[in-house]
Formats: sequence, structure tokens, C-alpha cells
Amino acid sequence: DAGVIQSPRHEVTEMGQEVTLRCKPISGHDYLFWYRQTMMRGLELLIYFNNNVPIDDSGMPEDRFSAKMPNASFSTLKIQPSEPRDSAVYFCASRRGNTEAFFGQGTRLTVV
Amino acid sequence: AQKVTQAQTEISVVEKEDVTLDCVYETRDTTYYLFWYKQPPSGELVFLIRRNSFDEQNEISGRYSWNFQKSTSSFNFTITASQVVDSAVYFCALRTEYSSASKIIFGSGTRLSIRP
Repeated sequence: DAGVIQSPRHEVTEMGQEVTLRCKPISGHDYLFWYRQTMMRGLELLIYFNNNVPIDDSGMPEDRFSAKMPNASFSTLKIQPSEPRDSAVYFCASRRGNTEAFFGQGTRLTVV
Repeated sequence: AQKVTQAQTEISVVEKEDVTLDCVYETRDTTYYLFWYKQPPSGELVFLIRRNSFDEQNEISGRYSWNFQKSTSSFNFTITASQVVDSAVYFCALRTEYSSASKIIFGSGTRLSIRP
């Protein structure tokens, strides 16, 4: 299995631009998570899906953030408009049932 | 409320020394899972182990061992005969089945440096 695949690995964008992060979970996994990692706040859960349905988005910082999972093999996290404080590493993770979550390699986002 | 505390922010040891990373958790749920993840300098998060609340058996995997004690709400991780490649940030994490609706809550991490 290829593992969780995230793209792009690095993204540099200007403040105010729209940013879309992509994730392909491991096949057969029914949970998908988006995390953000910063030095100040550590690893924060933004949102998670179960069977493509958003279950808890209480970690999404504000309305500028949105996430979708149109099918079992693809999810996006969109930031519009982006701000410098959104700079972080964004991780996608997936798991099957009650097992452990496997993480992608992350997308390092820099908003200038 | 659920919480994971990794009191050791940074640890530095000389290669071949043994080192223990501490993890203390809080939860009121009786069913929960504990995890350890490794984040090497390359940045990815690597799963190491999962332990459920009904299984207090300690586990050994090569140079790695884990000590789970419900009485002290601790899930400590020991690396024996440490190697430079063990240098990474290690995260302890908790997931409960009910009150936190399946979220994984991470500790703040312990940065481990192994000096040659």
C-alpha cells in the first residue's frame, strides 16, 4: 500500500490567495483526519470524516477554512483567503475502524 | 476532559544509553487507546504502537519497549541502547471511544537527541 498521499509537499503563496491541500487516504480506511502542526500549538485536529461525512469540524479555525471529501479516496482542505498565520505543516491521516491512524508526509504551507 | 502530558520537552543522551520518555494521560472513559508516534527530522509522523485500555501487558519490539500502568495513568516508552537514528520528536497520543468522538489527542512531544 502506498500510504496516505498528500500534495503538494510544499506550498508558498501570497496572503489573500486561495490554497488547496489534497489528500488520498489509504484504500479501505473509513476515517480521514486533517491536522495542523505549529511550534506554538503543536498538533491540532481541524476536522475529521467518517465514511466521507464530516463528523467534527470544531477544530477548524474560522470560516476561511473548509474541507471536503467527495469520495472515499480523496479529500481537500481549502483556505480562502490565506493569511500568514496559516503557515504550518498540514497533515492528513486515515484509519480503518478502531485501529491506529496513519499519517501522510504533510504539506508545509508558507503564506507570505 | 482528555489530556496527554509529556513533561520532558527535550532529552539529550549519548549513543548507547537507555532513555525513557514519559507520558501521562487523563480521561474519564474506561475504553481508550494510547499511541506513540515518531517524527524524525524529515517531518513525517510514523506510527510506533497502539495499546488499548484493557491490555496492560508491556510490549517489547527490538530496542523499543512500552510500559503501560493504569494505576498511574502512564504509558512510558523506553529505548534501549539508543542510536543516532533514534533522534526525533516522539508524541504520545490518546483516543477515547465516547466522549471525544474518536479524536486523537496528542501530547506536546519530547525532542530526543542522541549524540554520537
